[in-house]
Amino acid sequence: EVQLVESGGVVVQPGGSLRLSCAASGFTFDDYTMHWVRQAPGKGLEWVSLISWDGGSTYYADSVKGRFTISRDNSKNSLYLQMNSLRTEDTALYYCAKDTRQYQLLNAIDYWGQGTLVTVSS
Amino acid sequence: DIVMTQTPLSLSVTPGQPASISCKSSQSLLHSDGKTYLYWYLQKPGQPPQLLIYEVSNRFSGVPDRFSGSGSGTDFTLKISRVEAEDVGVYYCMQSIQLPPGLTFGGGTKVEIK
Repeated sequence: EVQLVESGGVVVQPGGSLRLSCAASGFTFDDYTMHWVRQAPGKGLEWVSLISWDGGSTYYADSVKGRFTISRDNSKNSLYLQMNSLRTEDTALYYCAKDTRQYQLLNAIDYWGQGTLVTVSS
Repeated sequence: DIVMTQTPLSLSVTPGQPASISCKSSQSLLHSDGKTYLYWYLQKPGQPPQLLIYEVSNRFSGVPDRFSGSGSGTDFTLKISRVEAEDVGVYYCMQSIQLPPGLTFGGGTKVEIK
């Protein structure tokens, strides 16, 4: 059974930094592209970033480019999101998610974690 | 960037009746590899989204056959043949044809039971 468990969400002040983690199990982690997707309270879904199965390629939404960094440690079956220069508009539930196909940079998402809440507020 | 537009914004359906949701993309989702990169998700209250339909019309593992997807190019439809109480939530369409920009979601359609 695929399991994705996010952690690291807290209340942080504008301009602050935070690192989210996602622990993966139930599949061969280093075969798949992984994603971060966020959802502001009461709003829709916004894709944030992806990283290829080997960590060699990363992409970001324009809204976070230059501030967020995605990374992974395949030896630990873990995905990360380093978030710097946080803004109030970054307040959201952040989901870790698995891509559908092995060794493809982008296809779609088939499994999601439960999410971790990041609140940016003074 | 590709814009995904869903209609209606919300839907109130009597159990056992059909429901239909439309999704239009600002450019074609047909890739040169022959696949159309359009997906449907359902987010039930308090839960993460779950994949229903992939590549326009293929049901994901475990999805009941009352859900079906159709369409091509830029116009797509999700149909529920007979709505059940467990189908309540927000339905999202999503495209993934190009990088950048990556994944783009529609604004969502909220389905509730009358």
